[in-house]
Amino acid sequence: DTAVSQTPKYLVTQMGNDKSIKCEQNLGHDTMYWYKQDSKKFLKIMFSYNNKELIINETVPNRFSPKSPDKAHLNLHINSLELGDSAVYFCASSQEGAEQFFGPGTRLTVL
Amino acid sequence: GENVEQHPSTLSVQEGDSAVIKCTYSDSASNYFPWYKQELGKRPQLIIDIRSNVGEKKDQRIAVTLNKTAKHFSLHITETQPEDSAVYFCAASKGTGRRALTFGSGTRLQVQP
Repeated sequence: DTAVSQTPKYLVTQMGNDKSIKCEQNLGHDTMYWYKQDSKKFLKIMFSYNNKELIINETVPNRFSPKSPDKAHLNLHINSLELGDSAVYFCASSQEGAEQFFGPGTRLTVL
Repeated sequence: GENVEQHPSTLSVQEGDSAVIKCTYSDSASNYFPWYKQELGKRPQLIIDIRSNVGEKKDQRIAVTLNKTAKHFSLHITETQPEDSAVYFCAASKGTGRRALTFGSGTRLQVQP
């Protein structure tokens, strides 16, 4: 009965590789988000998306792209991984105007 | 864009004491202010939130106050317990629909038994 789930939980990969992180929510929410938490614990919005509009934080490199096959899923694709991409990535979802629920996070390590 | 500043970065209190964490925000259009608790290795979880039409909100040992004029809001935890030890984040967002949160830098609270 997990509300927001992410896979994988851990991802270790080499610089230059392309990887994806999957997110699913079973709450029926209309909006999903991706946040990045760096080694200093700063949490920063990367994307917010509903079935009408994608909003991209201007600081996010275009190597990062969200893909939403349906309302319950928002996956994160990352091309040409760099050392600085190492972080914990959290997916979240909310119903319009209400509380955001976070997934368990994916710890990405780029070697 | 919105900027949220949070103080202090670390806070150590004795069990049973009160803890106060303060945040300021820059965008006067922000109207939603949640507080999240993140335990080590876990996801952020909402503990309390407040909207701009309210000045104070309480939930048992936790309270949040909002001063819209000064653009600051605070989290108050009374009768702290060791299980309150965690990193606490304030956040702000605006609008009535999609609410991408701008987070403060976090406060590491340690409650000494």
